[in-house]
Amino acid sequence: GAVVSQHPSWVICKSGTSVKIECRSLDFQATTMFWYRQFPKQSLMLMATSNEGSKATYEQGVEKDKFLINHASLTLSTLTVTSAHPEDSSFYICSARVNSGGATDTQYFGPGTRLTVL
Amino acid sequence: AQSVTQLDSHVSVSEGTPVLLRCNYSSSYSPSLFWYVQHPNKGLQLLLKYTSAATLVKGINGFEAEFKKSETSFHLTKPSAHMSDAAEYFCVVSVRGAQKLVFGQGTRLTINP
Repeated sequence: GAVVSQHPSWVICKSGTSVKIECRSLDFQATTMFWYRQFPKQSLMLMATSNEGSKATYEQGVEKDKFLINHASLTLSTLTVTSAHPEDSSFYICSARVNSGGATDTQYFGPGTRLTVL
Repeated sequence: AQSVTQLDSHVSVSEGTPVLLRCNYSSSYSPSLFWYVQHPNKGLQLLLKYTSAATLVKGINGFEAEFKKSETSFHLTKPSAHMSDAAEYFCVVSVRGAQKLVFGQGTRLTINP
C-alpha cells in the first residue's frame, strides 16, 4: 500500500524558535498533501491543503504566516511552525492523496509528529 | 455541509464478542465514507471505504461496514473482537469531487480480556 513518512516523529523546542516538519510519499506521487492537527484525545482538524507547485489553501482560523507550508515536489511537503509557543504543542499529521483521477481517491496518513514547545 | 457523528465516544467489549461502532453522516450529495483506525502514538490506517459500489464494505482485519442511505448510517462491525483491536476509530466523510475529509470525534474501543 501507499506509504507516507514524517520526520521528525517528535520534537521539543524552545518558545520563539521555528520547527520544520517533513512529509514524504515514499512509493507514489502526490499532487495534493494535507496537514492536520490533533489535540490530545480529540479528532483531527484540517489545517491546510497543499498542492504541488502552488500556494497552500488554509482552513478558516489557521494563521498562514505562522504555519508555513511548502510543497516543492510531488513527494515532499513541509510544515514550518514559526515562532512557536506552548499553545502550538500538538500532534501534527500529514496525508497524501493518491491522484488516480477519481473523485474518491484515498488519503494515506503519515505517522504524525509530536511537537512540544517549552 | 458534510459532517459525521460518532454516537459513542467509548465502547468496551470483551475479547471474542462482537464489535459495533456507530456512525451517522450528513451530506447534501452522495458521500464517500471511510473508517480509519489510530493506535496509540501511531498514524491513521484505512480500514475500509465506501464509494457507492456495494453497500456492504469489507475491510482489513475482519472489519466491515454497511452503508444505509435511509438511515444515513455507516456503522462499523466485527464479529469477534481481538485484543489488538483496542484503538481509536474515526468515521470520515468526503464529498464526491471534493478533496477534504471531515472526521468524526472518534470512538475509543477497549477490549477486555
